[in-house]
Amino acid sequence: EVQLVESGGGLVERGGSLRLSCAAPGFTFSVYWMHWVRQAPGKGLVWVSSINGDGSSTRYADSVEGRFTISRDNAKNSLHLQMNSLRVEDTAVYYCVRQDNSGWDEFDFWGQGTLVTVSS
Amino acid sequence: SYELTQPLSVSVALGQTATITCAGNNIGRKDVHWYQQKPGQAPILVIYRDSDRPSGIPERFSGSNSWNTATLVISSAQAGDEADYYCHVWDTNTVVFGGGTKLTVL
Repeated sequence: EVQLVESGGGLVERGGSLRLSCAAPGFTFSVYWMHWVRQAPGKGLVWVSSINGDGSSTRYADSVEGRFTISRDNAKNSLHLQMNSLRVEDTAVYYCVRQDNSGWDEFDFWGQGTLVTVSS
Repeated sequence: SYELTQPLSVSVALGQTATITCAGNNIGRKDVHWYQQKPGQAPILVIYRDSDRPSGIPERFSGSNSWNTATLVISSAQAGDEADYYCHVWDTNTVVFGGGTKLTVL
């Protein structure tokens, strides 16, 4: 059974750092592109970052480029997001998301999310 | 940057058909995916590649995509379909979501 379980969220002061993790048991983690998608309170979904299966290719939204770093540990079936220089506008629920690898590019599984709150 | 436009809200009477649109420039040339998100829950995939349904999604959910508008159709709407719905495409290796539509079942 596919599972995506996020952890690491919490309250942090503006300018601080936080590291999110996503445990991904139940499937062959290393062959999937993985993503972080966030959702500010009462707002819509916003893509944050992506990483390919072996970790050699990463992409970032302009709003987090240079501040966030996505990584993965395929030996431990885990995905990470290092967030530095946090801003109040980074406050959101962060979802770990799997991209289907059967030829299409939809997001077929989502974690339950972890809440990040950046205080001013 | 590529933009997707969805209506903020759509209302439908119980048992009737709901239509949610997602507008984008030449969106008909892209694969469109749709997600349902109920309050306090993570999104789930309900339609992928314009009109395909993942296993476990009722046949009441269908989709189409042509020219500048993709459409999610929910027939025989039920109270449990009340949720936010988001469309999603890729544009030059970038993920784009629509702003979301709140579906209310009356």
